[in-house]
Amino acid sequence: GQQVMQIPQYQHVQEGEDFTTYCNSSTTLSNIQWYKQRPGGHPVFLIQLVKSGEVKKQKRLTFQFGEAKKNSSLHITATQTTDVGTYFCAGRRGGSNYKLTFGKGTLLTVNP
Amino acid sequence: KAGVTQTPRYLIKTRGQQVTLSCSPISGHRSVSWYQQTPGQGLQFLFEYFSETQRNKGNFPGRFSGRQFSNSRSEMNVSTLELGDSALYLCASSAAGTGDSLLHFGDGTRLSIL
Repeated sequence: GQQVMQIPQYQHVQEGEDFTTYCNSSTTLSNIQWYKQRPGGHPVFLIQLVKSGEVKKQKRLTFQFGEAKKNSSLHITATQTTDVGTYFCAGRRGGSNYKLTFGKGTLLTVNP
Repeated sequence: KAGVTQTPRYLIKTRGQQVTLSCSPISGHRSVSWYQQTPGQGLQFLFEYFSETQRNKGNFPGRFSGRQFSNSRSEMNVSTLELGDSALYLCASSAAGTGDSLLHFGDGTRLSIL
């Protein structure tokens, strides 16, 4: 079945440092979504990438979708304590199967 | 609009019992998905319902079942509970359940098995 691998599992940074999490799928994806889950909260949708090589930015967050549509990354510039949480990627295969497969997530902690 | 509502928020059961969890999606949303979240395993897909039909199913034993009602509300049932079933169960709804739909998650039901 489809697998979505995400690394690293944990990342601890000093406030102001950059952070990147990577996502790799065993199969080509029709789209990939990113979610953020704050400690004690539920996952919240951040963004969706659809096109090969797509890059989208949300303030200090940059999302990329690989050319082969099998990998993606999320980069945060100059982390802040408000960035703390677990970041999940989630991919969908094409066709009529709309199942969203989540990576195991990257837990980001930020030291002020 | 009200968000996704899951009840109960917390539940304590003992091995061998059964449990039913409830999820009310955002008004107008027809797709409901269920996920099990445990430390280290991330979000594992249980099943997805769309217009009262199970459209997708994850790799969980038959003890895990669900259903969706005509008003899109969904229930998940776990029978013969095991210690390993202790987890946060998250329900998520989406508008059309199509390939580009984003998921809106509820706060989850935290199930503890003693």
